[in-house]
Amino acid sequence: EPEVTQTPSHQVTQMGQEVILRCVPISNHLYFYWYRQILGQKVEFLVSFYNNEISEKSEIFDDQFSVERPDGSNFTLKIRSTKLEDSAMYFCASMREGSNTGELFFGEGSRLTVL
Amino acid sequence: SQQGEEDPQALSIQEGENATMNCSYKTSINNLQWYRQNSGRGLVHLILIRSNEREKHSGRLRVTLDTSKKSSSLLITASRAADTASYFCATPKNTDKLIFGTGTRLQVFP
Repeated sequence: EPEVTQTPSHQVTQMGQEVILRCVPISNHLYFYWYRQILGQKVEFLVSFYNNEISEKSEIFDDQFSVERPDGSNFTLKIRSTKLEDSAMYFCASMREGSNTGELFFGEGSRLTVL
Repeated sequence: SQQGEEDPQALSIQEGENATMNCSYKTSINNLQWYRQNSGRGLVHLILIRSNEREKHSGRLRVTLDTSKKSSSLLITASRAADTASYFCATPKNTDKLIFGTGTRLQVFP
């Protein structure tokens, strides 16, 4: 069964460093998302991406964050200068075009630890 | 205010018992979805109920929706230890993103 894959599964970085989290969405899906979950808390929407551009972003998604679809398969989230409070699980999700339900398919997440 | 808040926040039961989780939301919806998250893992879609439906079943899952009260419930019957997870309700907003609730942590003891 097709699945969303994310790398790395865990990354430890120093505050102020740049981090890139990678996702390979399901191949025939055209809507892509990043969500964040701080340990033990709710799953928070960061950004949605469609047709090679951001369709919506939350207040969390400030200038330190960017997303890119550099080729036909990868979808990346970059954090330019990490802060301690960026420590969280980051989930990529995708949805097929034409979905009338909004069902999302999630990856297993990338755990980011900022020291 | 949160779009989608579950209660209880945590629920502990014995295997074989039923588990009921509730979700309240604030704005009108065209569907409501329930997701499951095992500890430290990704979210998995369980079931979707449309706004014109009142009840839906899938295996041991039963979902109800009351649009007049803006609430939904998820019932897991005959629970198993493997059902231990967090359960989230989610509603679509602006057609292309899901907003998740705060989640219910379910612990099923063998």
